[in-house]
Amino acid sequence: GENVEQHPSTLSVQEGDSAVIKCTYSDSASNYFPWYKQELGKRPQLIIDIRSNVGEKKDQRIAVTLNKTAKHFSLHITETQPEDSAVYFCAASRDYSSASKIIFGSGTRLSIRP
Amino acid sequence: NAGVTQTPKFQVLKTGQSMTLQCAQDMNHEYMSWYRQDPGMGLRLIHYSVGAGITDQGEVPNGYNVSRSTTEDFPLRLLSAAPSQTSVYFCASRLTSGGVTGNTIYFGEGSWLTVV
Repeated sequence: GENVEQHPSTLSVQEGDSAVIKCTYSDSASNYFPWYKQELGKRPQLIIDIRSNVGEKKDQRIAVTLNKTAKHFSLHITETQPEDSAVYFCAASRDYSSASKIIFGSGTRLSIRP
Repeated sequence: NAGVTQTPKFQVLKTGQSMTLQCAQDMNHEYMSWYRQDPGMGLRLIHYSVGAGITDQGEVPNGYNVSRSTTEDFPLRLLSAAPSQTSVYFCASRLTSGGVTGNTIYFGEGSWLTVV
């Protein structure tokens, strides 16, 4: 069945440095890849997403890259700040399809050191 | 719009008891789903539905039942609770019919369930 693997499970970076989280997916028909941020005790919320017809997408300090051939995608956070500390989840799904279940990775706990 | 509403927020059950977690959305979303979140295990899909009258199993469906009689509601039933079902449960919904925001997944606030 479909699977999404996410690495690393924990990540600690110095404030101001960059953080990179990587995911791989197994369903070659997946064409939509969102990233969610979950702060402690709260619900996950979308921070950025990418579709398979795009190789990279940026939104201020956050960027996502996609390699369809290798079936992996990554989240890049630059100039990290204390408020970036949270758990981040990647996900994969088929777009606009009846088989549109969304499978999440196991999460990465990001800590920003002052 | 209230978005995705889950009840109850906290529940303690005894082993063998049954209960239903309620989920409702007022965004006319076709897709609704239930996830459970355990430490280090991420969000695992329990069941999902792509429309009224249609449900399907996710990654961890055993011990749970669902039904989708209306577009708005997607309850999750635990027929005989077990300690292994202690978890945080999230209901989530999204459109499946396209559009700029059609793929955004909206989560409820979560339900903390403890089975003793």
